[in-house]
Amino acid sequence: EVQLLESGGGLVQPGGSLRLSCAASGFPFSSYAMSWVRQAPGKGLEWVSAMTSSGGSTYYADSVKGRFTISRDNSKNTLYLQMNSLRAEDTALYYCAKDTRGGFFGETDYWGQGTLVTVSS
Amino acid sequence: DIQMTQSPSSVSASVGDRVTITCRASQGIGNYLAWFQQKPGKAPKSLIYAASSLQSGVPPKFSGSGSGTDFTLTISSLQPEDFATYYCQQYNNYPLTFGQGTKLEIK
Repeated sequence: EVQLLESGGGLVQPGGSLRLSCAASGFPFSSYAMSWVRQAPGKGLEWVSAMTSSGGSTYYADSVKGRFTISRDNSKNTLYLQMNSLRAEDTALYYCAKDTRGGFFGETDYWGQGTLVTVSS
Repeated sequence: DIQMTQSPSSVSASVGDRVTITCRASQGIGNYLAWFQQKPGKAPKSLIYAASSLQSGVPPKFSGSGSGTDFTLTISSLQPEDFATYYCQQYNNYPLTFGQGTKLEIK
């Protein structure tokens, strides 16, 4: 059974940093691209970032480019999102999602339950 | 960026009804379209990919169609568990973009 378990969310002040993790199990993690998608409270879905299966290529939404960094450790079956210079508008539930291919295709089949990031003073 | 527009934004229906939700892309995306269902407090669940292919385990009461710029999600014989918010998403171009969502409510 595919499982994606996000962690690392919490309350952080504007300008602060946070590192999210997504622990994967039930599938060959190193064979699939992965994405982060976020959802602000009461709002819709916004794609944030993606990484290919090997980690060789990364992709970012303009809203986070230069502030967020996606990475993965295939030996630990874990995806990460380092978030720096956080802003109030980054407040959201952050989901990790499994792609259906090794290259970034954007077609996802499994999502985690999310971890909440709140940026507030 | 490709803009995805869903209509209606909300719809009320009764158990047993059939409902159709529309998603329009601001430019052609071939069949690179997915549909998701999200219930309150839960993660989105993939229903359909490639515009009309059903994800494993999803009942055939859900069906998708369309290509290019216009797509539809149809849900037949509505049951209480189908009342949720539905999102379309394009993956023809990066960045991935979602529709604003359609909330399906019980009448």
